[in-house]
Amino acid sequence: GDSVTQMEGPVTLSEEAFLTINCTYTATGYPSLFWYVQYPGEGLQLLLKATKADDKGSNKGFEATYRKETTSFHLEKGSVQVSDSAVYFCALVGYSSASKIIFGSGTRLSIRP
Amino acid sequence: DSGVTQTPKHLITATGQRVTLRCSPRSGDLSVYWYQQSLDQGLQFLIQYYNGEERAKGNILERFSAQQFPDLHSELNLSSLELGDSALYFCASSVVPGDVTYNEQFFGPGTRLTVL
Repeated sequence: GDSVTQMEGPVTLSEEAFLTINCTYTATGYPSLFWYVQYPGEGLQLLLKATKADDKGSNKGFEATYRKETTSFHLEKGSVQVSDSAVYFCALVGYSSASKIIFGSGTRLSIRP
Repeated sequence: DSGVTQTPKHLITATGQRVTLRCSPRSGDLSVYWYQQSLDQGLQFLIQYYNGEERAKGNILERFSAQQFPDLHSELNLSSLELGDSALYFCASSVVPGDVTYNEQFFGPGTRLTVL
């Protein structure tokens, strides 16, 4: 079945460092890919998405590119801030999944001032 | 604020008991989804309703059931509770489900269930 594998955490960086969180997926057909963010004590928020190969999703300085050849959707940000501290989930919605979201295990990110 | 509301925010109960979690979708959204977030299982899809009818089922235990009412709010019923049911339960809503075209799901703040 469809699945998502993402980089294990926790990840701790200093403010203004470069961030990469790796994500790879397994799915039949052409899934839509997402990054969700969960800030402490809050629900999930959609951070960015890409619905076809080579699409780049971007939001709040974060970017991820849908790479079909490597089945990857790595999250990047050039300069992280303390306010980016959260748990990040890579996810997909597959062609045959009836809209249910399949999530990766989550990566906890902590940014030091 | 996503526009999805969930009550209660916290729930503490004992093993063997039954609880009901409530979700009100965003105005205009017809589809409701339930997810469970636990330390050992991560975030898992439980069940989806669309306009009152069950649309898809995931890893939902037989002790759990859900329904969506005519006003589109949804309830998740958990019975014969076990320690392992302790988790954060999220509700999400979207306009309509789509097998091909994804409709963004908006998540509520969750209900934290603790079974003692």
